[in-house]
Amino acid sequence: EAQVTQNPRYLITVTGKKLTVTCSQNMNHEYMSWYRQDPGLGLRQIYYSMNVEVTDKGDVPEGYKVSRKEKRNFPLILESPSPNQTSLYFCASSFGQANTEAFFGQGTRLTVV
Amino acid sequence: GESVGLHLPTLSVQEGDNSIINCAYSNSASDYFIWYKQESGKGPQFIIDIRSNMDKRQGQRVTVLLNKTVKHLSLQIAATQPGDSAVYFCAEGTGKLIFGQGTTLQVKP
Repeated sequence: EAQVTQNPRYLITVTGKKLTVTCSQNMNHEYMSWYRQDPGLGLRQIYYSMNVEVTDKGDVPEGYKVSRKEKRNFPLILESPSPNQTSLYFCASSFGQANTEAFFGQGTRLTVV
Repeated sequence: GESVGLHLPTLSVQEGDNSIINCAYSNSASDYFIWYKQESGKGPQFIIDIRSNMDKRQGQRVTVLLNKTVKHLSLQIAATQPGDSAVYFCAEGTGKLIFGQGTTLQVKP
């Protein structure tokens, strides 16, 4: 089954404790991206990757890092999480950046206390 | 900057009625649009897309209409069912995806 898999689904952590949210897709997509979803603000792109070893900032990259060492995986790293990063996070993948549908993971609900 | 907006944050319809969810966009050069459905606790799921060389596209119980003159698109759901209850997003995808805020569709039994 074609899918984007994120882990964990739920995470509660403390300020400053580094964490990683994993994302994996099995569709051989070149383009992957991370979004955060907040009430009243919709989906905002954090980082994206056009291909292996190619990553770039989205609209709200501050406080986040990503890596793309393999085509299927695109982890999101929070080196020093802060409460304002409490949000619902989605990973997505697609064949390209534009003019094509994106497939989304189930989401990761992160709470930073 | 570019923006995509939905007209109503919430839409409530009776089961069996047709639903119409509207969306406006600002970039006249936009030529690809997507509608997503997000059910509670899940990620956005593709419903239907349309390119600017079309005015209308139909899927199973859904129709998307595109009016380039007024930069408006709509999603029509025929014979709305309880399973259609969700948040619906329009997105502009000519470059990177730009999402609207979302309309919550509530289906009354």
